[in-house]
Amino acid sequence: DADVTQTPRNRITKTGKRIMLECSQTKGHDRMYWYRQDPGLGLQLIYYSFDVKDINKGEISDGYSVSRQAQAKFSLSLESAIPNQTALYFCATSDTTSGGVNEQFFGPGTRLTVL
Amino acid sequence: GEDVEQSLFLSVREGDSSVINCTYTDSSSTYLYWYKQEPGAGLQLLTYIFSNMDMKQDQRLTVLLNKKDKHLSLRIADTQTGDSAIYFCALGGFQKLVFGTGTRLLVSP
Repeated sequence: DADVTQTPRNRITKTGKRIMLECSQTKGHDRMYWYRQDPGLGLQLIYYSFDVKDINKGEISDGYSVSRQAQAKFSLSLESAIPNQTALYFCATSDTTSGGVNEQFFGPGTRLTVL
Repeated sequence: GEDVEQSLFLSVREGDSSVINCTYTDSSSTYLYWYKQEPGAGLQLLTYIFSNMDMKQDQRLTVLLNKKDKHLSLRIADTQTGDSAIYFCALGGFQKLVFGTGTRLLVSP
């Protein structure tokens, strides 16, 4: 089984709808991240969390919110989806005990299309 | 904030060497990373280099770091069709990373 899973894998929605993307991990890591990937722009950090009570904004948090329901679960919400939020979204995890190396483990991604 | 730039595409023939380049603006990172993204998948750490090193070799991979010019490169020797993917450099501290724009490597037979 995959260590980092994302649901759904694909989603098509309409402008103005509320959308939730979910991420679960079995790696036991305390750090979790949400990124979006756009062609030619690489990955941009949306939000990150170092434990259940710690949530931090990334580079492009406007229009998004997150919830860390448990150590293993980190959800991303689009409160009112707009077409320029069409992108590939990735969840990632990392471990605080890896000796300073920030190796992040990525889920398979969710392709979101906003019409 | 940190700015990390890569060229978008690189095309090579199977058996040749590939060199993927990355330039950055902030030199405070302790480690610098190369991640690989295969089609339809998430990113996976390929290799990394400690900031006080100039070179790291790992089988077919060679990472070169020029701190003066703020330039990082990844050389893949004897490139195979299975190396076709998007390669991202990444910099940052232990808390978060900043990723480059990604270089799509296409290997033709």
